[in-house]
Amino acid sequence: SQTIHQWPATLVQPVGSPLSLECTVEGTSNPNLYWYRQAAGRGLQLLFYSVGIGQISSEVPQNLSASRPQDRQFILSSKKLLLSDSGFYLCAWSVSGRRNTEAFFGQGTRLTVV
Amino acid sequence: KNQVEQSPQSLIILEGKNCTLQCNYTVSPFSNLRWYKQDTGRGPVSLTIMTFSENTKSNGRYTATLDADTKQSSLHITASQLSDSASYICVVSARTSGTYKYIFGTGTRLKVLA
Repeated sequence: SQTIHQWPATLVQPVGSPLSLECTVEGTSNPNLYWYRQAAGRGLQLLFYSVGIGQISSEVPQNLSASRPQDRQFILSSKKLLLSDSGFYLCAWSVSGRRNTEAFFGQGTRLTVV
Repeated sequence: KNQVEQSPQSLIILEGKNCTLQCNYTVSPFSNLRWYKQDTGRGPVSLTIMTFSENTKSNGRYTATLDADTKQSSLHITASQLSDSASYICVVSARTSGTYKYIFGTGTRLKVLA
């Protein structure tokens, strides 16, 4: 069966510090991978998606970047965090090329920038 | 612009009562519509999925409807339970640039009281 792992679960970082959130998927190959952010009281906003190794598409301009060094690994990074980067970050995967595939979500990372 | 709007923003009902959540969307090209349930601090979990040709889909006490002409969907919860307290998110999938993207609504926060 497929599983998705996302860590850490919670993170408190000072303004200006770097960030690295990691997400890995098991039990499938060549998944579509996604990073979402959910601000308090807001819906999920798509930040990045990837259809393959090294292929990253950005949905919104921001202080963050993403990388996919391996087929089932997706990393969200920042060189210098801003207060506005605080939020709930979710990694998700879906089967590539299938129309009605579901997006499966990790447990999320609660990031607080202080 | 692809958008998904949900109403009400929040809802409080007594245990055992029924309720209906609404979702309106302007997403093109439409692929499918899902309702997700998100417990606080957790990743969303899919409840139902409907394609363009489907009008109704049930999952236990959850029944979703879709009117593709008016671009509206509803999620009806029957005989609510305390465990139904969560955010319910309407998600519309669109195929763009060769991949499927998920456009999320802001969710309806449901609180079921004993």
